[in-house]
This record gives sequence, structure tokens and C-alpha cells, in this order.
Amino acid sequence: AQSVSQHNHHVILSEAASLELGCNYSYGGTVNLFWYVQYPGQHLQLLLKYFSGDPLVKGIKGFEAEFIKSKFSFNLRKPSVQWSDTAEYFCAVNRANAGKSTFGDGTTLTVKP
Amino acid sequence: EPEVTQTPSHQVTQMGQEVILRCVPISNHLYFYWYRQILGQKVEFLVSFYNNEISEKSEIFDDQFSVERPDGSNFTLKIRSTKLEDSAMYFCASSLRQTRGPSGANVLTFGAGSRLTVL
Repeated sequence: AQSVSQHNHHVILSEAASLELGCNYSYGGTVNLFWYVQYPGQHLQLLLKYFSGDPLVKGIKGFEAEFIKSKFSFNLRKPSVQWSDTAEYFCAVNRANAGKSTFGDGTTLTVKP
Repeated sequence: EPEVTQTPSHQVTQMGQEVILRCVPISNHLYFYWYRQILGQKVEFLVSFYNNEISEKSEIFDDQFSVERPDGSNFTLKIRSTKLEDSAMYFCASSLRQTRGPSGANVLTFGAGSRLTVL
């Protein structure tokens, strides 16, 4: 069965700091990879996705993620965070052409103004 | 932008009562899902539904749970006899699945969630 690990449970940063959130998955076959964000009191929203092609994926709000197949990783990055980035971030994976997604435990990001 | 809508946004119920959570997926989507998130925990897959039948379900989705697509637009989750541990945020999601190619496949669009509190 596939599993997703997010290494950081809670990250606290000051505004303008750089962000990197780790995500590793366990499935050895072809996967689709996603980062979702959940702002306080809101629903899950897609930040970015990777299916194939360029392993560096750019998403909304200045986020990007890099797929490193050899490391089974899909880390999320942002060069300069803002207070409004305070949210919970979930990495998710599903097998190519399969339905359900498996989510990581989530990382709570708190950005101090 | 198309949305997945869920009702109610919050429901409080007594243990043992039946609850129905409703979802209206995006109109051209073919796959429908229910996930739940217990407060402070991860998002957990419950069930996926395609072509009017369950395509996959998790261990959480026991006989107390059922799903239905009663008409062309609604997708419901029923909990027959709620337990305290069913208290959670329940998310409906839908996706446009293609059998080949990555474009759009398996990108889940989530609803805002229905918060269920069982007393």
C-alpha cells in the first residue's frame, strides 16, 4: 500500500523567510503527486500537481515543488513566505490512473508577521 | 470556477442517530469521493464511487456507512447509527478521470466540508 510521510509537523517562520516542506512517498510505481493547502476555517485547495514531464512544478501563490524520483520525494518550496501563507499543507499521492489519493499527516505552517 | 458544494456545513447529532451528508459534485466529473478529517489528524479516505457503485472503500467505511447518488447531481454519505468517534469534518470530492493520460486525471476538487459533531 502506498503511504506518504511529511517530516515536519509544525513549522514556524517569520515573514520573508524561505520555506521547504518535506514529503516522501512509498509506492514504487508511477505516481501522481499533489500538494493541497487548507487555510484556517476553509476547505482543501489544490496548490500544485505533478503528473509527468518537468520535475519542477510551479503552483499558485508562488509555491513550487520538485519531484525527485530517486528519493521518492516531492518537497514544497517558497522563497519568501507571507503571513497569509499560514495554513495546513498536505502532500498527497495516488497511483497513475487510480482513484483515491493518500494524504500525509499534514504540516501546520505558522508565519509570524 | 466550478465548485463542489456540501450541506450542511455543520451538524450536531445525538449518538445513535442517522445522519445524511449531502454533496453536489462538479457536473462533468465522473468519480466521487468521501474523505474525513478528525480534528488534529490526517485526511483519511473513506470511499470512492463511479458508475453508480463503490469502486473502493477503506477499513473505516464499515456497514454503518453507505453512499448513494440518488439523482444526477447529488452524492450522499449516510451514517446509520452515529458514534462519538464519527465526529469529524467530512469532505466530498470529485474528479474527472481519464483512463489514459495525465491531464486532469485524479485531481480532486474538494468541497468546503461538513462538520459532524456527535454528542
